[in-house]
Amino acid sequence: EDQVTQSPEALRLQEGESSSLNCSYTVSGLRGLFWYRQDPGKGPEFLFTLYSAGEEKEKERLKATLTKKESFLHITAPKPEDSATYLCAVRGSSNTGKLIFGQGTTLQVKP
Amino acid sequence: ETGVTQTPRHLVMGMTNKKSLKCEQHLGHNAMYWYKQSAKKPLELMFVYSLEERVENNSVPSRFSPECPNSSHLFLHLHTLQPEDSALYLCASSTGMSVGGANVLTFGAGSRLTVL
Repeated sequence: EDQVTQSPEALRLQEGESSSLNCSYTVSGLRGLFWYRQDPGKGPEFLFTLYSAGEEKEKERLKATLTKKESFLHITAPKPEDSATYLCAVRGSSNTGKLIFGQGTTLQVKP
Repeated sequence: ETGVTQTPRHLVMGMTNKKSLKCEQHLGHNAMYWYKQSAKKPLELMFVYSLEERVENNSVPSRFSPECPNSSHLFLHLHTLQPEDSALYLCASSTGMSVGGANVLTFGAGSRLTVL
């Protein structure tokens, strides 16, 4: 059964304090690993898709990496506006290829 | 309007009420989804429509009834709900949902449902 586990559940950082969020997954035939950002009162917003181990993608202070078992979302010198819940999801080759989401990591960056 | 729009944003209903959630997408996508988001739990896929045909019903109780009259509109009809159905209901759309693809979902802001 496809499964996604995110850690930590919550993370508090000081502004400028770099850190990483983890997404561990098990999936039959990975067809894509997705990172979304969700702000309070809003729907998730797409950040990245990674397709194969070794792939990396960057956007501003965020960098996503992928191995065969997990993905990391690295946040470099975060700012308060990076505070949000970050969701990881995978799509496998089984069934209809639907997305399986993790429970998310809630990041708070204090000034 | 652009993107995915959901109405109402907030809904309070009694267990005997009948209400509907509405979703409209202006992106030209041909697949639409309903997800349920409860506190501390992963997003749960409820229904998927591709080209107006339901292709996924994720063991959702019959008190939730979806309707997709065209590729731009999606409804979730609610009837005799339970308090545990209180959650954020998110609509999403994508350009397709083929197994071989990796189509990105665009989400609406959600409808916060409270069942008394």
